Amino acid sequence: EPEVTQTPSHQVTQMGQEVILRCVPISNHLYFYWYRQILGQKVEFLVSFYNNEISEKSEIFDDQFSVERPDGSNFTLKIRSTKLEDSAMYFCASRASPGRETQYFGPGTRLLVL
Amino acid sequence: GQQLNQSPQSMFIQEGEDVSMNCTSSSIFNTWLWYKQDPGEGPVLLIALYKAGELTSNGRLTAQFGITRKDSFLNISASIPSDVGIYFCAGRSGSQGNLIFGKGTKLSVKP
Repeated sequence: EPEVTQTPSHQVTQMGQEVILRCVPISNHLYFYWYRQILGQKVEFLVSFYNNEISEKSEIFDDQFSVERPDGSNFTLKIRSTKLEDSAMYFCASRASPGRETQYFGPGTRLLVL
Repeated sequence: GQQLNQSPQSMFIQEGEDVSMNCTSSSIFNTWLWYKQDPGEGPVLLIALYKAGELTSNGRLTAQFGITRKDSFLNISASIPSDVGIYFCAGRSGSQGNLIFGKGTKLSVKP
């Protein structure tokens, strides 16, 4: 069964460093999402991406964040200068089309900022 | 912004018991989804609901999309130890819209 994959599974970084989280969505899906989950809290929406541009973003997704689909298969989330409060699980999700199709989540990347 | 109120926050039950949890919102949603999350993993879709009043089953799980479009419930019948985990409701209000998640219900099942 097709699934969303994410790399790395864990990332430890120093505050102020740049990180890139990678996702490979399900191959025929057109809509892509990043969510984050701070330890013990609910899943929060960051950004959605369709047709090579951001379609929606939350207030969490500030200028330090960017997304890209560089090669038609990978979907990346970049945090330019990490802060301690960026420590969280980051989930990628993808969806085939509008309407009844729904989002399928990857296993997540656990980011720890020291 | 839109908020989902999910209850209960946690449940401790005996194996074999039925479980019920629900989500309510002050806003209308056009899709309700129920996910289960195991520790350290991503949410896994259990049931998707697309129409007000819709009642859908997936094995021992049953979920309904409230007729006001502002609420949904999930029932688990005859619980087993592997039902342990955190259950999240999520709602979507537009065709491209992001998912709004509830805070989760942590289910513990005693064998």
